[in-house]
Amino acid sequence: EAGVAQSPRYKIIEKRQSVAFWCNPISGHATLYWYQQILGQGPKLLIQFQNNGVVDDSQLPKDRFSAERLKGVDSTLKIQPAKLEDSAVYLCASSLDGRAGTDTQYFGPGTRLTVL
Amino acid sequence: GENVEQHPSTLSVQEGDSAVIKCTYSDSASNYFPWYKQELGKRPQLIIDIRSNVGEKKDQRIAVTLNKTAKHFSLHITETQPEDSAVYFCAASIEDYKLSFGAGTTVTVRA
Repeated sequence: EAGVAQSPRYKIIEKRQSVAFWCNPISGHATLYWYQQILGQGPKLLIQFQNNGVVDDSQLPKDRFSAERLKGVDSTLKIQPAKLEDSAVYLCASSLDGRAGTDTQYFGPGTRLTVL
Repeated sequence: GENVEQHPSTLSVQEGDSAVIKCTYSDSASNYFPWYKQELGKRPQLIIDIRSNVGEKKDQRIAVTLNKTAKHFSLHITETQPEDSAVYFCAASIEDYKLSFGAGTTVTVRA
């Protein structure tokens, strides 16, 4: 089966600019996750969707980050305005049903963001 | 929220030797513990997972053990090979929601 797709793979912007990332999960996966992975650290969950509804966004900096999954399939994550500390790899993952007890999260290749 | 600590941060082993990575978690309600392998510049991939109703699980050269009382779990890689070189992340969650990851262990297998 096709894996999780993300674009772009790399992005370089200046601080205070805006940027958007796109994710297409594995077909049929109801749950979609966005993670931020800062160099040398483990992924940190930013937001989790179940279909087109938000399950958890407690660690999303809502003053500058936003995400949507309007049709319950692909998703976009936006940062506006970007700060230097936003430099990281943004990973998208999906699972068949995050509410189930035996779910594996499959990760996309990530988008490496550099904020100058 | 859940806090996962992982040790060591780096691990160098001779090819053929075993590697052990340990993680501790804070929330006693956590019941799902996956391990991910991330090669340089690539996506994290699940290599093994364990649930709180099981104490040990093996898959070929990889095994994971869980001690719920002490709230720690470990990854064991036997007969290490150069392709085992990667960053390994442990994680913990409650009912598969909100995985909290450890900081990672960089494993280097020396030929």
